Amino acid sequence: DTAVSQTPKYLVTQMGNDKSIKCEQNLGHDTMYWYKQDSKKFLKIMFSYNNKELIINETVPNRFSPKSPDKAHLNLHINSLELGDSAVYFCASSQDGGAEAFFGQGTRLTVV
Amino acid sequence: GENVEQHPSTLSVQEGDSAVIKCTYSDSASNYFPWYKQELGKRPQLIIDIRSNVGEKKDQRIAVTLNKTAKHFSLHITETQPEDSAVYFCAASLSNQFYFGTGTSLTVIP
Repeated sequence: DTAVSQTPKYLVTQMGNDKSIKCEQNLGHDTMYWYKQDSKKFLKIMFSYNNKELIINETVPNRFSPKSPDKAHLNLHINSLELGDSAVYFCASSQDGGAEAFFGQGTRLTVV
Repeated sequence: GENVEQHPSTLSVQEGDSAVIKCTYSDSASNYFPWYKQELGKRPQLIIDIRSNVGEKKDQRIAVTLNKTAKHFSLHITETQPEDSAVYFCAASLSNQFYFGTGTSLTVIP
């Protein structure tokens, strides 16, 4: 039974399109995250969110927006996709910032 | 936010030798320091963690040490095996966010 699942696993799209990546966790965690992993393997925090607070990394373009319909879901919406958005995006969840974060399997986004 | 630096970026060791990866952090308020292993094409997975009230923790061949005064922590892998080959990330937790180091690609040569 998958703890953190994200879909799709692969996403190929053209520049300028709008796309979404879905994430769901069944661990009952209070906090969810989105990370971007570029070609150099660097894991960069984009957002963290719990039912009280959204923290946005200041370097994330406002074309990226998280949407949380409920505590178990944190979807990532990306508008006007650019070539530089190509990367692997990981969703994760944890009970709080002082506990293990569990990662989804990743979504490889390719913008052409 | 927090700034986590990690060294070395690549590390090759002979099977059976030890491997050490070092990280530093900038914000003394960080209080939780996990280490993740990421195999090729897979998701990062926790291998060991340490909290700021502990100086050292060991789990079989893996150990982590923390020096709060100097703001650095290290991962030690003993008796390395080929299956230890992966990218390892350190992280520091601050204000409900995890900040990752830049990763260390470890290769264990049989």
